[in-house]
Amino acid sequence: EAGVTQSPTHLIKTRGQQATLRCSPISGHTSVYWYQQALGLGLQFLLWYDEGEERNRGNFPPRFSGRQFPNYSSELNVNALELEDSALYLCASSLGHRNQPQHFGDGTRLSIL
Amino acid sequence: SQELEQSPQSLIVQEGKNLTINCTSSKTLYGLYWYKQKYGEGLIFLMMLQKGGEEKSHEKITAKLDEKKQQSSLHITASQPSHAGIYLCGATSGGGADGLTFGKGTHLIIQP
Repeated sequence: EAGVTQSPTHLIKTRGQQATLRCSPISGHTSVYWYQQALGLGLQFLLWYDEGEERNRGNFPPRFSGRQFPNYSSELNVNALELEDSALYLCASSLGHRNQPQHFGDGTRLSIL
Repeated sequence: SQELEQSPQSLIVQEGKNLTINCTSSKTLYGLYWYKQKYGEGLIFLMMLQKGGEEKSHEKITAKLDEKKQQSSLHITASQPSHAGIYLCGATSGGGADGLTFGKGTHLIIQP
C-alpha cells in the first residue's frame, strides 16, 4: 500500500512569490492535514480538509490556503512568501474518523531566498 | 490552547540501555499519539493511546497513558542504533479527527 506522497521534495522561491505544494493521501483516507515544521518552532498544525471541505485551521494568516480535490488529494498554497515561511511542510492523512492515527508523508522543504 | 511538554529535550544513551521519554499535557488528553522522526524527514506513527491506564507495546517500545496526570510515557528496552531519532508526542484537543498539537520532541542519540 502506498503511503502519503508529497511533491515537490524541495522548492526554492524568493520573497513575494507564491508556492504550491501537493499531497496524495493513503488510498481510502478522506482527511488531509497540513503542518509546518520551522526551525526552532516545532511542528505546527496548519489546515485540515475532509470530504473536500476545510474543517479547521491553525493560527496562520490567510495567505496560507489550500483545497482538497474530489480524489482527496490536496494542495497547499502560500502567497506573498516571506523569509520566515522557510520550513518543512508535512502532509498527513487519516480515515477521518474519531481517534484515527494520522500518517505522514516525507514533506516538502520550502526555502525562501 | 493545549500544550504538550516533553522531557527530556535530548537524551544520549548507551546501546543496550533502557530509556523513558515523558509527555505532559496542559489539558485533558482525549488521545495521545507517539511518532518518530529522522531529521528532515516525515513522521513515522508508533502508537496511539486512548484510554487512561492504556498500555501498548510494539517490539521494544512500550507507551502508557496516565489520564489523571495528563501524561504519557514512552519506554524503550535494550536500545539499538535504529532507535535513534526525534520522538514526538501529539494530541487532539477534543478527541475528534482534528489537527494535532505536538510537543517539541525528544532527540535520542544511541552511543555504541
